[in-house]
Amino acid sequence: DADVTQTPRNRITKTGKRIMLECSQTKGHDRMYWYRQDPGLGLRLIYYSFDVKDINKGEISDGYSVSRQAQAKFSLSLESAIPNQTALYFCATSAPGWGTEAFFGQGTRLTVV
Amino acid sequence: AQKVTQAQTEISVVEKEDVTLDCVYETRDTTYYLFWYKQPPSGELVFLIRRNSFDEQNEISGRYSWNFQKSTSSFNFTITASQVVDSAVYFCALSEAKAAGNKLTFGGGTRVLVKP
Repeated sequence: DADVTQTPRNRITKTGKRIMLECSQTKGHDRMYWYRQDPGLGLRLIYYSFDVKDINKGEISDGYSVSRQAQAKFSLSLESAIPNQTALYFCATSAPGWGTEAFFGQGTRLTVV
Repeated sequence: AQKVTQAQTEISVVEKEDVTLDCVYETRDTTYYLFWYKQPPSGELVFLIRRNSFDEQNEISGRYSWNFQKSTSSFNFTITASQVVDSAVYFCALSEAKAAGNKLTFGGGTRVLVKP
């Protein structure tokens, strides 16, 4: 089984709909992240969480919200999806300390029509 | 603000040729880590290497080698004797010590296509 699992892997939704992307990890790490990948822009940080009670905005948090239900679970919501949120979304986790490697999920390809 | 630039958007080579990927970064922090990640066609990101700002020693690991030069703010990556399985998108990333949470700033990626 993968260390970081994202569901769904692919999703098509309509403009204005609410959608939730889910992420769970088995690494036992406290830190979790949501990134978004767009062609030519690399990955950009949406939100990150140090633990269940510590959630922080990243570079591009507008239009998104998150929930850390447990140490192992971190979900990303789009309250009212818009077409420019069409992207590949990645969840990641890393061990405490600076410079530790991040472990990524396989990504969720979201299309907003 | 921190920034990572990968000027090469796509590189195409024939198998067994060497490939060098360029990465230039900007940071005001004196303490930072640099990373390379690989994204194969299956989509997941795979960690390849990290270097901290105090370790400019270059390294070779199998067919991979890295050239870190603080004087030019560059962290280049070379694949020697490329293989078809090396076809992927490669990302360079920066993590600053002052930025809490081990957050990564990514470059735009370089797509490598290795033809048989």
